[in-house]
Amino acid sequence: ETGVTQSPTHLIKTRGQQVTLRCSSQSGHNTVSWYQQALGQGPQFIFQYYREEENGRGNFPPRFSGLQFPNYSSELNVNALELDDSALYLCASSSRDRGPPTQETQYFGPGTRLLVL
Amino acid sequence: DQQVKQNSPSLSVQEGRISILNCDYTNSMFDYFLWYKKYPAEGPTFLISISSIKDKNEDGRFTVFLNKSAKHLSLHIVPSQPGDSAVYFCAATGYFGNEKLTFGTGTRLTIIP
Repeated sequence: ETGVTQSPTHLIKTRGQQVTLRCSSQSGHNTVSWYQQALGQGPQFIFQYYREEENGRGNFPPRFSGLQFPNYSSELNVNALELDDSALYLCASSSRDRGPPTQETQYFGPGTRLLVL
Repeated sequence: DQQVKQNSPSLSVQEGRISILNCDYTNSMFDYFLWYKKYPAEGPTFLISISSIKDKNEDGRFTVFLNKSAKHLSLHIVPSQPGDSAVYFCAATGYFGNEKLTFGTGTRLTIIP
């Protein structure tokens, strides 16, 4: 069973640029959630994708967008980068279809560290 | 609006002793609670969870206690080992567990050999 993988591990961009981050979910999982972790803070929920549809969104502007593919991998796109977008971006996968009473756990990838200059 | 709070940013414990990490929450709709452990340059690793229908869950050296009336949970690690040194995050979510996670700000645990 392969775990959650993310790429790249880190990257540096300049203000105003666009970035795409990638995530492969754990085998058997059909749901991907993205989180932003700023320094000294806990992860903040950006959005979740289930069966290629956005399924919940946190308090992030529309320049944060995403995709999920038929193989359940996912992308996070951020346009018009700002200095405050510098953070660790985490992807987590889980399964939605098993239903109660199973309570699903989200498993995280290693993250992508983004620095915006 | 911090719905999940970890009021101790850091904690130091002697090796072999008990480590107790605390977490408080304000949203009574939370139904499933999790603890994650995070090493530098890695993603959070799932440690243990508890459903709101229980008040205790054990897994080896790790026990999580939930007090719903006080909206408080704690993680006990016994005995503490040097490899337990990490940042611990408390998280909460709805009934199904795969909805959005709301995290606390973390507690850095240092185990002193």
